[in-house]
Amino acid sequence: NAGVTQTPKFRVLKTGQSMTLLCAQDMNHEYMYWYRQDPGMGLRLIHYSVGEGTTAKGEVPDGYNVSRLKKQNFLLGLESAAPSQTSVYFCASSYGGSGNSPLHFGNGTRLTVT
Amino acid sequence: DAKTTQPPSMDCAEGRAANLPCNHSTISGNEYVYWYRQIHSQGPQYIIHGLKNNETNEMASLIITEDRKSSTLILPHATLRDTAVYYCIVRVDVTSGTYKYIFGTGTRLKVLA
Repeated sequence: NAGVTQTPKFRVLKTGQSMTLLCAQDMNHEYMYWYRQDPGMGLRLIHYSVGEGTTAKGEVPDGYNVSRLKKQNFLLGLESAAPSQTSVYFCASSYGGSGNSPLHFGNGTRLTVT
Repeated sequence: DAKTTQPPSMDCAEGRAANLPCNHSTISGNEYVYWYRQIHSQGPQYIIHGLKNNETNEMASLIITEDRKSSTLILPHATLRDTAVYYCIVRVDVTSGTYKYIFGTGTRLKVLA
C-alpha cells in the first residue's frame, strides 16, 4: 500500500513550456486535491475532484488544468509555465464521506520555472 | 468559506504540553475542524479532527469551544520531533456530500531542549 504517489519529484521548466504532474493513490479514495505551497506560506487549493470524471476549481485555478479519467489518478497540467508557478505541489486524497475522511498527502513535486 | 487564524509561531519546552490555538469564528454548524502538521517540506500529516466534541487519539487532544468558534490542539508531552508547522483547517461543505479543505498559514512550533 503506497498511499499517494507523486511524479516527478523535481522538475525545472523554462517559461512557456508545458508539463503534467501525476498523482496516483491506491486507497480507492473518491476525492483528490491539488495544492501549491510557496515559501513560508500555507497550502492553497488549485483544483479538486469528487469522483472519476469530475473536477472543480479551488482558490487559485488560473494557469492550471486537471483531469480525472481514472479514479486512482489525478493529473495537473501547466499549458504554458510562468515563473509565478514556481512552487511545491502537493496532491492529496480522501475517502470523501462524512465523518472520518482525513486527507492523505503525497510528498510533493518541486517545480522551478526559469 | 470558513477561514482559520493561528499565531505564526510558538515555543514549547521539551516534555511540556504544547497548546496550539486556532480561531474559526465563521465556521458553519456542519463543518469539521482538522489539524495537520508539516515537518520540513514533507507532505502534511494528519493529526486529529472533530466537529463538536473534544477528541483524543494517540498523538494529541482537540478541545473545541462550545460555540465552535475556536479550538486548541494539545500535544501532551512535546518532543523535539514535534517541531513542525501545525495547520488548523476547516472542511468546507460545497454541496451536500461534496467537501473541500481550506488551509491557513499555520503555527510554527519549536520544541526546545
